[in-house]
Amino acid sequence: TQLLEQSPQFLSIQEGENLTVYCNSSSVFSSLQWYRQEPGEGPVLLVTVVTGGEVKKLKRLTFQFGDARKDSSLHITAAQPGDTGLYLCAGASYNTNAGKSTFGDGTTLTVKP
Amino acid sequence: KAGVTQTPRYLIKTRGQQVTLSCSPISGHRSVSWYQQTPGQGLQFLFEYFSETQRNKGNFPGRFSGRQFSNSRSEMNVSTLELGDSALYLCASSLAGGNTGELFFGEGSRLTVL
Repeated sequence: TQLLEQSPQFLSIQEGENLTVYCNSSSVFSSLQWYRQEPGEGPVLLVTVVTGGEVKKLKRLTFQFGDARKDSSLHITAAQPGDTGLYLCAGASYNTNAGKSTFGDGTTLTVKP
Repeated sequence: KAGVTQTPRYLIKTRGQQVTLSCSPISGHRSVSWYQQTPGQGLQFLFEYFSETQRNKGNFPGRFSGRQFSNSRSEMNVSTLELGDSALYLCASSLAGGNTGELFFGEGSRLTVL
């Protein structure tokens, strides 16, 4: 069974601070996605990382995929209240589990103005 | 381009009843996955359909079933509802049968079982 562990589970910070969320697994994934979910809505895809060691930047968000493709991190610079939400990482394994993604339990981020 | 549409958005049922949820994927997407989201368990994979065939199934009892139609629309059914079935049911579609891992979610159907 593939598992993804996210940390921290909850994070409350002030506007302008930086933060990092981690997503770790003992399994290798073909790709890893990060999603953001707001209350009452479905998760929205932020980014996909595929290559070990890959770094992707999306404005103030930086995503990194571990060299061994087992872990990932999300770094937010100068957080804003609009960044508040549930951040989910998800791993996909094309060969063994096509069509199925394994999700972490999520990190609930609150950014206070 | 229209997103994933789920209906109904909210519903209340009582124990023992059954429920059917509907999902219309993004046009051109042939893969539809269903997930159950609860505060305690997070997102749990129910099943995935591709070209009308169930390709993968999660660890849920047989009370949970689904199907996909030729136009890629999908339905899931839960029979003999239990209190623990109260959850947000999310449908997600993907373009190439899940080969990229990228999922595009609907807003979900919030089921409350009393």
